[in-house]
Amino acid sequence: EVQLVESGGGLVQPGGSLRLSCAASGFTFSNYAMTWVRRAPGKGLEWVSGISGSGRSTYYADSVKGRFTISRDNSKNTLHLQMNSLRAEDTAVYYCAKAWQYSSSWFDYWGQGTLATVSS
Amino acid sequence: QSVLTQPPSVSAAPGQKVTISCSGSNSNIGNNYISWYHQLPGTAPKLLIYENNKRPSGIPDRFSGSKSGTSATLGITGLQTGDEADYYCGTWDSSLSAWVFGGGTWLTVL
Repeated sequence: EVQLVESGGGLVQPGGSLRLSCAASGFTFSNYAMTWVRRAPGKGLEWVSGISGSGRSTYYADSVKGRFTISRDNSKNTLHLQMNSLRAEDTAVYYCAKAWQYSSSWFDYWGQGTLATVSS
Repeated sequence: QSVLTQPPSVSAAPGQKVTISCSGSNSNIGNNYISWYHQLPGTAPKLLIYENNKRPSGIPDRFSGSKSGTSATLGITGLQTGDEADYYCGTWDSSLSAWVFGGGTWLTVL
């Protein structure tokens, strides 16, 4: 059974940093691209970032480019999102999701999400 | 402003049928597979349709998808109150090298 469990959310001040993690199980992690998607209060889903199975290719939404870094540790079946220079508008529930195969593929499994709140 | 355009809301009575549209361009829907997701209140998003019109195992055949040119449509028949949720279309945008979602459509079953 595929399981994705996010962690690392919390309250941080504007300009601060958070590192989100996603522990994956139930599939061969290194064979699949992974992604982060967020949902801000009162807003819809927003794709944040994606990474290939090998980790060599990464993709970012313009809204987070230069501030967020996606990475993965295939030896530990873990996906990360390093979020720096956080803004109030980054407040959201962050979901990790498994891509069907490639970074351009649909997302077939989702975690339950972790809440990141940026506020002073 | 989302790259993919969906109506903000739709509604229909229990047992009836509803469709949700998703409009894009050649760089996204026109040249890539569309997928659909729903998010029930307080839960994680869930895949409903992939590769334009295919259903993952466990998704009932009340849900269907279609695509024509730069637009796509999600159909839901036999509406149930449990179908009340936000529905999103999504696809890869080749020009942006990024995944894009529609703005979401809230379905009310009244």
